[in-house]
Amino acid sequence: DTGVSQDPRHKITKRGQNVTFRCDPISEHNRLYWYRQTLGQGPEFLTYFQNEAQLEKSRLLSDRFSAERPKGSFSTLEIQRTEQGDSAMYLCASTIADIHYRPDEQFFGPGTRLTVL
Amino acid sequence: GQNIDQPTEMTATEGAIVQINCTYQTSGFNGLFWYQQHAGEAPTFLSYNVLDGLEEKGRFSSFLSRSKGYSYLLLKELQMKDSASYLCAVRDLWNNYGQNFVFGPGTRLSVLP
Repeated sequence: DTGVSQDPRHKITKRGQNVTFRCDPISEHNRLYWYRQTLGQGPEFLTYFQNEAQLEKSRLLSDRFSAERPKGSFSTLEIQRTEQGDSAMYLCASTIADIHYRPDEQFFGPGTRLTVL
Repeated sequence: GQNIDQPTEMTATEGAIVQINCTYQTSGFNGLFWYQQHAGEAPTFLSYNVLDGLEEKGRFSSFLSRSKGYSYLLLKELQMKDSASYLCAVRDLWNNYGQNFVFGPGTRLSVLP
């Protein structure tokens, strides 16, 4: 399977704990995005990487959230001191920015569903 | 501010045509996207508009008017498998990179036999 993968698919944690999610984009994709989605809502943009550089971060994103993409391939999203309001589906998407491709279509992973008790 | 509006729910009959509207207000504009999302699954790309006009792709077409902040997705020859949420998303441009996406709440379409 050469699509976007995310791990774990489900995570249940207690309030106050730290959690880390991983995303493996499509191998040749240089752009990677993280989103959060709650039931009945569209995805909410969290942050974006081009290669290893984090170029944009939502103004609404708490400083408890941090993301890395150390080698320009996989990425991790960490949430510190989780709160019940963090319960959501966390989606990763990737795309390729290249003059020979339309830099438009994002390929989404299956998501990590976080439940904070 | 950033705001995208879509109808919450729509119902249509198999074989019919349905139009899903989207209006947006964003600080910048660098393209409008439509995604399909089946329940419990990740969104999948349907169409992209950056210039005014109609983009056609098989049974799906998408229209954009930048001056009106308006787009629609047209689905023809509806099939039962088209029952899903349809997400309108605008690529905003509030800094130099222009890669932050604002998604609407989605329109849940039910196709009835």
